Amino acid sequence: SQQGEEDPQALSIQEGENATMNCSYKTSINNLQWYRQNSGRGLVHLILIRSNEREKHSGRLRVTLDTSKKSSSLLITASRAADTASYFCATASIQGAQKLVFGQGTRLTINP
Amino acid sequence: SQTIHQWPATLVQPVGSPLSLECTVEGTSNPNLYWYRQAAGRGLQLLFYSIGIDQISSEVPQNLSASRPQDRQFILSSKKLLLSDSGFYLCAWSRGGPSDTQYFGPGTRLTVL
Repeated sequence: SQQGEEDPQALSIQEGENATMNCSYKTSINNLQWYRQNSGRGLVHLILIRSNEREKHSGRLRVTLDTSKKSSSLLITASRAADTASYFCATASIQGAQKLVFGQGTRLTINP
Repeated sequence: SQTIHQWPATLVQPVGSPLSLECTVEGTSNPNLYWYRQAAGRGLQLLFYSIGIDQISSEVPQNLSASRPQDRQFILSSKKLLLSDSGFYLCAWSRGGPSDTQYFGPGTRLTVL
């Protein structure tokens, strides 16, 4: 399957540090998206990066995409306690119905 | 601006009872609509998606069904709930196709006892 797999499954860091989460996938993609989910809530879209892009920024977020390695990373700089959440990558296949397929997520905890 | 609503927020139902979860979108027309289920601590599993009224695709064989009686209304149903139907149900919409950015509702926590 094309499912994205996040790594690590859980990450705990101190406030102010940078947090890096990785996502690997298996097949060619149209785009890759990162979402955030606070406990018990719906998902919030963070960034969409297309297959012909290598890096994208949004505020304290930086996403990279390496299609040759079929991997992406999400970097959160200068983390805050409010960044505590689960982060999911989702991939849209270049073939077929192009549905978003979500990974299992990385649980990020920012310690004050 | 666009908003998406889901209700109820939480639901506790006995095994074998029927289910109806509702999702509505405001502020846009002809949205693509999605139902996902999320098991505890896990990713999302796509259950149904719809590109228009009476155009619904089922992704996973199960005892759930979906309907879209109006352009911006998406309903998830079951005639008889199973224990395995417990989970967090999320509705989402997108402007474009399924590969476009999706906007999620607040979710419904379903517990089947």
